[in-house]
Amino acid sequence: KQEVTQIPAALSVPEGENLVLNCSFTDSAIYNLQWFRQDPGKGLTSLLLIQSSQREQTSGRLNASLDKSSGRSTLYIAASQPGDSATYLCAAMNYGGSQGNLIFGKGTKLSVKP
Amino acid sequence: KAGVTQTPRYLIKTRGQQVTLSCSPISGHRSVSWYQQTPGQGLQFLFEYFSETQRNKGNFPGRFSGRQFSNSRSEMNVSTLELGDSALYLCASSLVGQGMDGQYFGPGTRLTVT
Repeated sequence: KQEVTQIPAALSVPEGENLVLNCSFTDSAIYNLQWFRQDPGKGLTSLLLIQSSQREQTSGRLNASLDKSSGRSTLYIAASQPGDSATYLCAAMNYGGSQGNLIFGKGTKLSVKP
Repeated sequence: KAGVTQTPRYLIKTRGQQVTLSCSPISGHRSVSWYQQTPGQGLQFLFEYFSETQRNKGNFPGRFSGRQFSNSRSEMNVSTLELGDSALYLCASSLVGQGMDGQYFGPGTRLTVT
């Protein structure tokens, strides 16, 4: 059974700092891994999607990597800004019997201080 | 292109009542998935529909049901509401689902059961 873990649960950094959010998963037979952002009381905004055959994806100041063999993904945020403050969730989609649904981590709550 | 829309955005119901939530996917998307988000359990998968058929189902009691219409719009129904059903219900759409493309989420319906 796939389990997704995100550490740390919360992170506070000063503005301008580069930071890395971690995501680990127990079953390497994933179809893809997706990173989302959630603002308080809101839905999820898709940030990056990495297919199982890919190693990384980039969008602006965000870079996500995927290492299936070690069961890990990281989200790198460059030059953080107060507007980046939100909860970041990673989610894995399994290959096989449970295809069609995402398994989510509990998220990392990021606070960027001006 | 319009995003995923969900109605209503907020709902207050009493224990024992039933409720119906609606989701309109992004135009052209045929897969719709539903998730429940609570502070304790995080995001959990309810079910996925594709071409009016339930293709995948999470571990929720039979009180939770759904359907999809020919225009890909989807509804979910919860009967005999319990206090523990209070949550943010999110729907997500994708072109064909099953991990071949990313999922895009709506803003959610906040259900409060009193």
